[in-house]
Amino acid sequence: AQKVTQAQTEISVVEKEDVTLDCVYETRDTTYYLFWYKQPPSGELVFLIRRNSFDEQNEISGRYSWNFQKSTSSFNFTITASQVVDSAVYFCALIGSSGDKLTFGTGTRLAVRP
Amino acid sequence: GAGVSQSPSNKVTEKGKDVELRCDPISGHTALYWYRQRLGQGLEFLIYFQGNSAPDKSGLPSDRFSAERTGESVSTLTIQRTQQEDSAVYLCASSGLSGIRSAQPQHFGDGTRLSIL
Repeated sequence: AQKVTQAQTEISVVEKEDVTLDCVYETRDTTYYLFWYKQPPSGELVFLIRRNSFDEQNEISGRYSWNFQKSTSSFNFTITASQVVDSAVYFCALIGSSGDKLTFGTGTRLAVRP
Repeated sequence: GAGVSQSPSNKVTEKGKDVELRCDPISGHTALYWYRQRLGQGLEFLIYFQGNSAPDKSGLPSDRFSAERTGESVSTLTIQRTQQEDSAVYLCASSGLSGIRSAQPQHFGDGTRLSIL
């Protein structure tokens, strides 16, 4: 069985603060992929990143960065210098060796105040 | 269009009625998925189609739920004898060649917001 845990239900920060969204996963598969999706108030899910289980290099894309640590089964997401437009629900998800359906966490609602 | 298209965007119906939700995947995407998102919750997997293979129906919550897909095109999700607990946003996603060797990102539609009175 697979499980994705996002322990932070809601986070509120002031614009320009850095914020880290936590994601912890469970899987028995040795090969798997991890994802982050953003769901803004308009409702659509926007793909942010995919990382496979054999690549533990951290990734940076603009103000976004991801820290993948297999030792702690975590795939945390940091937004640097947050902006109001970052306000959304962020979902962490996992695909295991079956390679098809995503297992989602329950999401973290991020509110960035001006 | 370039993205996944779902219709209707909103559906309000009375308990006990049947509803049909439609999904148009991105052209060329072989894999199609249906998820349900209840208010304030994460996404629950419902069903997955991959090409001409038998669909993975393991997430369907009851026999009132069914889905069809013709080839690699449109899919319809049907809920019969709707109940109030069926109220949710139903999201469709599509992706390129599936399987752990690729795990292509799933691209989501805007969803159908279903409200059962």
